[in-house]
Amino acid sequence: GQQLNQSPQSMFIQEGEDVSMNCTSSSIFNTWLWYKQEPGEGPVLLIALYKAGELTSNGRLTAQFGITRKDSFLNISASIPSDVGIYFCAGQWSSARQLTFGSGTQLTVLP
Amino acid sequence: EPEVTQTPSHQVTQMGQEVILRCVPISNHLYFYWYRQILGQKVEFLVSFYNNEISEKSEIFDDQFSVERPDGSNFTLKIRSTKLEDSAMYFCASKMENRVLAGGERDTGELFFGEGSRLTVL
Repeated sequence: GQQLNQSPQSMFIQEGEDVSMNCTSSSIFNTWLWYKQEPGEGPVLLIALYKAGELTSNGRLTAQFGITRKDSFLNISASIPSDVGIYFCAGQWSSARQLTFGSGTQLTVLP
Repeated sequence: EPEVTQTPSHQVTQMGQEVILRCVPISNHLYFYWYRQILGQKVEFLVSFYNNEISEKSEIFDDQFSVERPDGSNFTLKIRSTKLEDSAMYFCASKMENRVLAGGERDTGELFFGEGSRLTVL
């Protein structure tokens, strides 16, 4: 099946710093999504990307859909304590198909 | 705000027992999913359901698993004879529909996840 490699696995950063994480795939996806999961909760969608090369922002979050359609990155600017959580990328081949999730990036923001 | 609700939040069961996890998707949604997450690992797809039938399933979703939409609101996942390795958080998700955006791109429609049901098999 399709595999997503997400890195880094974990990050410890100081409040106010910028964060960057990325996902790569051996196969093409037509949609890339970024989710955040907090303890005891289900994943919540942060950003959805539908077109190769697309750069989309949602507040302090910016994500890009790679030109090759095999990668995506998520940036968080000026991190704050409530950014703590696990961030997952997810790829989708077609709109009716399943999501394939990356292994997650555990973000810890130190005050 | 509408949300996907799941029950129970936590279930402990003996190996070999049957388990039913229940979900109430958002009312006007058409596509329904079960995902699972083993502790500390990534979220894995189990099954999708549309128009009263399974539309896609993963290798994990073997004969021990089944899904049902017994009425207009509930969507259930049954595990017939639980194994130790079935211990995980099970997430139900739903979405409205797939739409075509102005530029021709196909919008997946946001997938809304429930808070999950933690299954512990002893």
